[in-house]
Amino acid sequence: AQTVTQSQPEMSVQEAETVTLSCTYDTSESDYYLFWYKQPPSRQMILVIRQEAYKQQNATENRFSVNFQKAAKSFSLKISDSQLGDAAMYFCAYRSPDSNYQLIWGAGTKLIIKP
Amino acid sequence: NAGVTQTPKFQVLKTGQSMTLQCAQDMNHNSMYWYRQDPGMGLRLIYYSASEGTTDKGEVPNGYNVSRLNKREFSLRLESAAPSQTSVYFCASVYNHVGTNTEAFFGQGTRLTVV
Repeated sequence: AQTVTQSQPEMSVQEAETVTLSCTYDTSESDYYLFWYKQPPSRQMILVIRQEAYKQQNATENRFSVNFQKAAKSFSLKISDSQLGDAAMYFCAYRSPDSNYQLIWGAGTKLIIKP
Repeated sequence: NAGVTQTPKFQVLKTGQSMTLQCAQDMNHNSMYWYRQDPGMGLRLIYYSASEGTTDKGEVPNGYNVSRLNKREFSLRLESAAPSQTSVYFCASVYNHVGTNTEAFFGQGTRLTVV
């Protein structure tokens, strides 16, 4: 069974600095999808960025980018120029491309932004 | 532009009481999920419905039942609530198709307390 591990329960960063959140996963599949979601105190789950395993190029969305290392089964999220509004829980998720369609989630990382 | 509507937002139950959490999506998604979120444990899958007419157990199905009433609606029932079911519950939906990398959309969550 697939598993997703986020080894950092909490991270803090100074406003305007860069922070990297770690995510590793375990799978025997060669094709799959990976996601980072943000959950602010409002509880709303918001998609930050997504990556297809067959794409070698790392996904980027404005200040958010990923470092996808398929062989190492690693999918880290880099947030550049951190802003106070980035403070939230961040969850890494894995989805199989087959008809199972289950989303497997990491335990989350709480990101604190210091002004 | 409702997306995923989940009700109620808050609920307090006494041990042994029953209740149904309602979830509806208006995006014509085929797959729907119920998760529970507990501190430090991320999102754990209770049940999911890959398509209308099918339901399957997830990681933590004990004490719960589900009904995929139609393509739009997916309800979660607690027949006899226990304090261990105190949690935040999320409904999610996705347009799943083999080979597509679409994002999951979430309801606002239900904070359930069982006393």
